[in-house]
Amino acid sequence: GENVEQHPSTLSVQEGDSAVIKCTYSDSASNYFPWYKQELGKRPQLIIDIRSNVGEKKDQRIAVTLNKTAKHFSLHITETQPEDSAVYFCAASISSGGSNYKLTFGKGTLLTVNP
Amino acid sequence: DTEVTQTPKHLVMGMTNKKSLKCEQHMGHRAMYWYKQKAKKPPELMFVYSYEKLSINESVPSRFSPECPNSSLLNLHLHALQPEDSALYLCASSPLPNTGELFFGEGSRLTVL
Repeated sequence: GENVEQHPSTLSVQEGDSAVIKCTYSDSASNYFPWYKQELGKRPQLIIDIRSNVGEKKDQRIAVTLNKTAKHFSLHITETQPEDSAVYFCAASISSGGSNYKLTFGKGTLLTVNP
Repeated sequence: DTEVTQTPKHLVMGMTNKKSLKCEQHMGHRAMYWYKQKAKKPPELMFVYSYEKLSINESVPSRFSPECPNSSLLNLHLHALQPEDSALYLCASSPLPNTGELFFGEGSRLTVL
């Protein structure tokens, strides 16, 4: 099955700095890579995702890059703000339209943005 | 309506109790999921229902019993739980054919005494 490794497990940055979280996956058939943000006691919320036919995607201060050859993808947050503090999970899956759909999560990164 | 609604938000139960967690969505999604999440860990998949039929059971102990009465509702029946079953239980849904995106509910925080 799929295995997703995520680094670092904790990341502390100063407000305004950039933050980068990296993930690697094992199954070359995986083609969908979402990132979730989870604040304490809240649900995981999808913040950005990328599919295997795209190398990079941006949404305001958030960007995701994908290197299919190396089987790794990264989350980039620029101009960090204290409200970006949360646990971030990367995930990978094979989105084939089938009904047996499984999303494999990384172990998470606790991001702390210091004012 | 783009929400997945879970009840109750908090549940405390003894090891001999029987209780149920409920999940509802009105987005027309035909896949629904139960995840278990322990503190500081990623969500772990428990069950997947596709078109109201159980399609994945991740070797979950029988003290957890899922039920999908219709395309909008998903239940998780709990019986004879152990303290280590205390966790946040997340329901999610997705459209079929799947596009990859999961829509999570707020979760039910379960404490087993």
